[in-house]
Amino acid sequence: GENVEQHPSTLSVQEGDSAVIKCTYSDSASNYFPWYKQELGKRPQLIIDIRSNVGEKKDQRIAVTLNKTAKHFSLHITETQPEDSAVYFCAAHRYNFNKFYFGSGTKLNVKP
Amino acid sequence: DAGVTQSPTHLIKTRGQQVTLRCSPKSGHDTVSWYQQALGQGPQFIFQYYEEEERQRGNFPDRFSGHQFPNYSSELNVNALLLGDSALYLCASSLVSVGQGSYEQYFGPGTRLTVT
Repeated sequence: GENVEQHPSTLSVQEGDSAVIKCTYSDSASNYFPWYKQELGKRPQLIIDIRSNVGEKKDQRIAVTLNKTAKHFSLHITETQPEDSAVYFCAAHRYNFNKFYFGSGTKLNVKP
Repeated sequence: DAGVTQSPTHLIKTRGQQVTLRCSPKSGHDTVSWYQQALGQGPQFIFQYYEEEERQRGNFPDRFSGHQFPNYSSELNVNALLLGDSALYLCASSLVSVGQGSYEQYFGPGTRLTVT
């Protein structure tokens, strides 16, 4: 099955700096890659996603890049704010398997 | 537009007991997936229901079973509870888009299960 690895496990940045979280996947047939943000005690919330036919997608301060050849994708957060502090999860999905495989999460701490 | 809802919010059970968790999908969604999230870990896929049938299953024992009703809501049942079953159980709903190659999945608030 699919194996998703996520790095780093923790990330601490100063407010205003950029943060990058990286994930690798093993199944070359995976074709959809969402990112979720989970605040303490709350549900994971979809913040951005990318399909395998696209290399980059941006939504205001967040962006996701995908390298299909290398089988890795990354989340980029610019101009970080304290409210960006949370645990971020990447996931990989293969349409005809209808399963999502999640990374182990990155705890992002944005220091004011 | 109602989002994904789950009940109960919290539950405490003893080893060996059975538990049923409930989920109502987001309006317009027809697929429900269940996940187990241990503290400090990412969600682990348990199974998925579509058209009232289990379509996919993760690496969970048969003690974990489920059901989907005609209104798309779903239940997760866990028998013979173990201490290791203590976790946050998340339900996620989505709409299968045939031929689209992907679909968005939205999570409910979860049920915190504690087994003592």
